[in-house]
Amino acid sequence: DTGVSQNPRHKITKRGQNVTFRCDPISEHNRLYWYRQTLGQGPEFLTYFQNEAQLEKSRLLSDRFSAERPKGSFSTLEIQRTEQGDSAMYLCASSPSTPQETQYFGPGTRLLVL
Amino acid sequence: AQKVTQAQTEISVVEKEDVTLDCVYETRDTTYYLFWYKQPPSGELVFLIRRNSFDEQNEISGRYSWNFQKSTSSFNFTITASQVVDSAVYFCALSEAANYGQNFVFGPGTRLSVLP
Repeated sequence: DTGVSQNPRHKITKRGQNVTFRCDPISEHNRLYWYRQTLGQGPEFLTYFQNEAQLEKSRLLSDRFSAERPKGSFSTLEIQRTEQGDSAMYLCASSPSTPQETQYFGPGTRLLVL
Repeated sequence: AQKVTQAQTEISVVEKEDVTLDCVYETRDTTYYLFWYKQPPSGELVFLIRRNSFDEQNEISGRYSWNFQKSTSSFNFTITASQVVDSAVYFCALSEAANYGQNFVFGPGTRLSVLP
């Protein structure tokens, strides 16, 4: 399977706990994106990487959120001290380095904060 | 600022009917890209089409067709002879060339239900 993969697919946690999600992009793609999608809404941009460099972060990405892509391959998104409002689907996408190239999405990680 | 509007929240049709999903966008950029994605119940966003602002030619792919009109800032999607497997949420998205972040702005989506 050469598509974007995300783990875990589902995560249930208690308020105040930390969670970490992983994304493995399509192997030849330099760019990696994180989005958040809440029920009934379209995905909202969180952050993006060109190789290992994090080039942009949305205002939605509070101080409790941190993303890394240490070797320019897989990426992790960590949420510290989770809140109920963090419950959402977290989507990862990747694309080649050509500007405005199509982004290919993974299956997402559905987070529920109790 | 870029914005995408999908005014139809939900649409229900009977199998074999044609259905059009509307997308209206706002941008101040002269160079931009428009996309449609399908999100079936499994949750994964599936790419359908990419169109740049300089190419207003309509496109047909099997039962799918897209009508891009810059004059009305619309990029509508038509499914001909709909099938139950077309049931999904469809998202229209916009990316501006001037947006160095390369991020997409998605519309709120239209949930299509095709009934047998």
